[in-house]
Amino acid sequence: SYDLTQPPSVSVSPGQTAIITCSGHKLGDKYSYWYQQKPGQSPVLVIYEDIRRPSGISERLSGSNSGNTATLTISGTQAMDEADYYCQAWDSNTAVFGGGTRLTV
Amino acid sequence: EVQLLESGGGLVQPGGSLRLSCAASGFTFNTYAMTWVRQAPGKGLEWVSTISGSGSNTYFADSVKGRFTISRDNSKNTLHLQMNNLRAEDTAVYYCAKGDTVTENWFGPWGQGTLVTVSS
Repeated sequence: SYDLTQPPSVSVSPGQTAIITCSGHKLGDKYSYWYQQKPGQSPVLVIYEDIRRPSGISERLSGSNSGNTATLTISGTQAMDEADYYCQAWDSNTAVFGGGTRLTV
Repeated sequence: EVQLLESGGGLVQPGGSLRLSCAASGFTFNTYAMTWVRQAPGKGLEWVSTISGSGSNTYFADSVKGRFTISRDNSKNTLHLQMNNLRAEDTAVYYCAKGDTVTENWFGPWGQGTLVTVSS
């Protein structure tokens, strides 16, 4: 089965840049997606097809995907960005989520 | 505005069955794939199943294959998840999510979720 690996936690000071990675075999050959989940809330899609932002998502969030690693970058991190972030990809008709990364600001 | 409202969760004994529903509005339902994702208490997201817009293609996680069935009623804009032979490890909040016109793509928006508890 296909696995996506994320760091369990990332900590960043307000105003700094947060980088959350997601690793999987030849992940760069697939589309990656990122979801934000705040406590007690449903997940929200924040990045799709590696780099695209849905309407209403802050420009401070950006994505990239190459080789074996997809990356979610949050610039000028704010307290409101504190949340769990999950990467996701498809492999062989199966959707796979990473284990999630808790971002602490 | 897209709205997804799950229902049908509750307490069920191991080996029992439960049928979840997701009422959709705000978009052309039969055009988009739909997905169930679950989240066990304090854990991460786990994909459960996806169905194409027409309902002709379905996909399941290995953990539920043979026990769960996904279906949709495009005349009623409703998604279903029939869960049989439930196990303690199926305990989770179950979310339905709208997909894209292409089945293997993103999930969003998501509903508020419905809690399924499998316990004796």
